[in-house]
Amino acid sequence: EAQVTQNPRYLITVTGKKLTVTCSQNMNHEYMSWYRQDPGLGLRQIYYSMNVEVTDKGDVPEGYKVSRKEKRNFPLILESPSPNQTSLYFCASSLAGTGFFGYTFGSGTRLTVV
Amino acid sequence: DAKTTQPPSMDCAEGRAANLPCNHSTISGNEYVYWYRQIHSQGPQYIIHGLKNNETNEMASLIITEDRKSSTLILPHATLRDTAVYYCIVNSGYALNFGKGTSLLVTP
Repeated sequence: EAQVTQNPRYLITVTGKKLTVTCSQNMNHEYMSWYRQDPGLGLRQIYYSMNVEVTDKGDVPEGYKVSRKEKRNFPLILESPSPNQTSLYFCASSLAGTGFFGYTFGSGTRLTVV
Repeated sequence: DAKTTQPPSMDCAEGRAANLPCNHSTISGNEYVYWYRQIHSQGPQYIIHGLKNNETNEMASLIITEDRKSSTLILPHATLRDTAVYYCIVNSGYALNFGKGTSLLVTP
């Protein structure tokens, strides 16, 4: 089944403890992206990647890192999480980033930083 | 990317057509109109998109006015499972600006 898989689904962590949220897609998509969703603020893009080894900042990149060493994986790294990064995170992928193609989203990762 | 305006909420009776409007008066020539929906806190789901012509797929129909300044998403026979937040997005690049969307409630 074509899908975007995020892990973990739920995570509670403490301030400052490095964590990684994984994202993997099995559709050979070139484009991948991370969003966070907060009440009243909607979905905001954190980082995106147009292809392997190509990443760029979205609207809210502060406090996050990403890497794209292989096409299928796009992990989101929080080097020193803070409570304001408590949020619902979504990974998305698309065949290409513009025009014709719809985006497939993962099921989400609910992160709580205490 | 052009800004979109959607009503915050709508109701629809089960089995009837749900018509969700979207205004995008500043849309430019190379921008597509996309529709996504999000059921509760699940990942957004792609529904349909179009540039100029009306489009139909197994989920919905998209009607775009001739001047492209507005569009309507039509769910022909709404079911309770269609209760969700529906986002109209106008985009020509990589980022999707979801806005607040329309919360559609389908009632029995």
